[in-house]
Amino acid sequence: ETGVTQTPRHLVMGMTNKKSLKCEQHLGHNAMYWYKQSAKKPLELMFVYNFKEQTENNSVPSRFSPECPNSSHLFLHLHTLQPEDSALYLCASSQELRSGGRYNEQFFGPGTRLTVL
Amino acid sequence: GESVGLHLPTLSVQEGDNSIINCAYSNSASDYFIWYKQESGKGPQFIIDIRSNMDKRQGQRVTVLLNKTVKHLSLQIAATQPGDSAVYFCAENLYNQGGKLIFGQGTELSVKP
Repeated sequence: ETGVTQTPRHLVMGMTNKKSLKCEQHLGHNAMYWYKQSAKKPLELMFVYNFKEQTENNSVPSRFSPECPNSSHLFLHLHTLQPEDSALYLCASSQELRSGGRYNEQFFGPGTRLTVL
Repeated sequence: GESVGLHLPTLSVQEGDNSIINCAYSNSASDYFIWYKQESGKGPQFIIDIRSNMDKRQGQRVTVLLNKTVKHLSLQIAATQPGDSAVYFCAENLYNQGGKLIFGQGTELSVKP
């Protein structure tokens, strides 16, 4: 248990569906992240929030919409996805965004395995 | 460009042997490095970290070595066990980009009994 939970663990959706991924951290952290992990590729950073403010959108298509209502919760809203969006979506948290040291150690959830048909 | 990469995508070792997983990074401004382990069906888990003012750091059965001259990072696992089978990622923190981590591709370690 890393203190970061994600639901659902598995999701199958059609291209016209709308769904949401949820992430919750119980670590008292202030920074939260969404990553996409595809087979044979490095982790791709999608979004970063620090103290509920979005600090990074890494050129992610608008069919992915993040929401961070408070420092403990992070959502990823999905609509009209494509089959190539099928991947493992990982949420992570860290103490906060700042340069150097253990502040930047990120704790990961187990991920949501998304399949788009 | 800025990148973190691994020399080998797969590594197979005999149980009880030592494992060495390598990582190359390209940004001299990186000030903090982490090794993560990802088992099947799980998210990455922290193994060990090292700051750029250190050359070596030891944990329980694991050692991380940092060579800033050639921008090389390695993870050594002593007496490798079947439970060590996983994908291992290195990540670097760029000092001038706050807390953002850049992850390498990953090396899949298989331990033969």
